[in-house]
Amino acid sequence: DGGITQSPKYLFRKEGQNVTLSCEQNLNHDAMYWYRQDPGQGLRLIYYSQIVNDFQKGDIAEGYSVSREKKESFPLTVTSAQKNPTAFYLCASSTGGGKNIQYFGAGTRLSVL
Amino acid sequence: GQNIDQPTEMTATEGAIVQINCTYQTSGFNGLFWYQQHAGEAPTFLSYNVLDGLEEKGRFSSFLSRSKGYSYLLLKELQMKDSASYLCAVRSFNYQLIWGAGTKLIIKP
Repeated sequence: DGGITQSPKYLFRKEGQNVTLSCEQNLNHDAMYWYRQDPGQGLRLIYYSQIVNDFQKGDIAEGYSVSREKKESFPLTVTSAQKNPTAFYLCASSTGGGKNIQYFGAGTRLSVL
Repeated sequence: GQNIDQPTEMTATEGAIVQINCTYQTSGFNGLFWYQQHAGEAPTFLSYNVLDGLEEKGRFSSFLSRSKGYSYLLLKELQMKDSASYLCAVRSFNYQLIWGAGTKLIIKP
């Protein structure tokens, strides 16, 4: 089955620690995205990548980093510089073309210990 | 600035019809999306409108008026499984999506 796989489902971060969230897709999509979702707010874009080895900052990139070494993979690292990391993180990929519909993974819920 | 407004919460009865509104003010317009999101799960795509008018897909329909910056999602024959949040998103001039905060729909028997 084609889809987007995020892991882990739950993650805990200690003070001063970097953590990496995994996102893998087998939909053959070129574009991939990372969003953060907080209660009562819309999804906010952290980073996006339209092609392998290229990515751009979204609206809230500070304290996060990404890489895009393979078409299928777009991992997100939450660094110690991100002072308020507790949130639900969603990875998406899109079809391209006119509609360019985004499809989402199941999400990772990150909490601070 | 760019802004998308949706009601925070709505309640409806099983078997009834509900309309969820979305108004937007964005820099450019390249399409409007509706997604459904059950609690703790990923958003799933429902509909896409880029031209004015009504798009119907089974029990769900979506309407767009670009001149009014307005859309609605219409859900018919409500079922308990329709209890979820409904997210409105607009694709702006830079082709990125701007998301509303979502409308939590509660279905009562």
